Amino acid sequence: GAGVSQSPRYKVAKRGQDVALRCDPISGHVSLFWYQQALGQGPEFLTYFQNEAQLDKSGLPSDRFFAERPEGSVSTLKIQRTQQEDSAVYLCASSLAETQYFGPGTRLLVL
Amino acid sequence: AQKITQTQPGMFVQEKEAVTLDCTYDTSDPSYGLFWYKQPSSGEMIFLIYQGSYDQQNATEGRYSLNFQKARKSANLVISASQLGDSAMYFCAMRVRENYGQNFVFGPGTRLSVLP
Repeated sequence: GAGVSQSPRYKVAKRGQDVALRCDPISGHVSLFWYQQALGQGPEFLTYFQNEAQLDKSGLPSDRFFAERPEGSVSTLKIQRTQQEDSAVYLCASSLAETQYFGPGTRLLVL
Repeated sequence: AQKITQTQPGMFVQEKEAVTLDCTYDTSDPSYGLFWYKQPSSGEMIFLIYQGSYDQQNATEGRYSLNFQKARKSANLVISASQLGDSAMYFCAMRVRENYGQNFVFGPGTRLSVLP
């Protein structure tokens, strides 16, 4: 079966540009999470969806970050007016019960 | 506040030997889950093992076992018979239930290097 997929795998953006990162969870997984992982560190929680409902967005670092999951499946993380400090790997994970399964991540570099 | 501590930034182990990666956690939630993930240099996070807070026995998955000591709030990962392919970053994580759902907290990771 297919795992979690993310696109693009790599993104280079100029400072000030808007970016959109896509996550396709495992089919049937109710929960979806976004994380930000800086180089050499553990993932940091950004936001959590249960179906289409965004139940927790406490980890989003600023109002430039926005996530949606309109039909309870695919999710998009949007970063507006990117800054250099946004450079990181953005990981998406989905789960049905206890265990989260991660996608390969999107490596974002803001120049 | 929920927190995961991994005090070993890096560990070395000889091939075929066993190694223990430390993890301690802090939570006031009586119901929680503990996870270990492996992250090779390619970047993907690979689920290894899970332990629920109410599980009586330590979890095992092949060469991986979790040494769960609830009173000490520790959840160390034991890898037996290390292989060169085990060289990677290892993250301990905790799932706690919140009113609105759940939250996951990750530790800073331990980089394991397996020596031939």
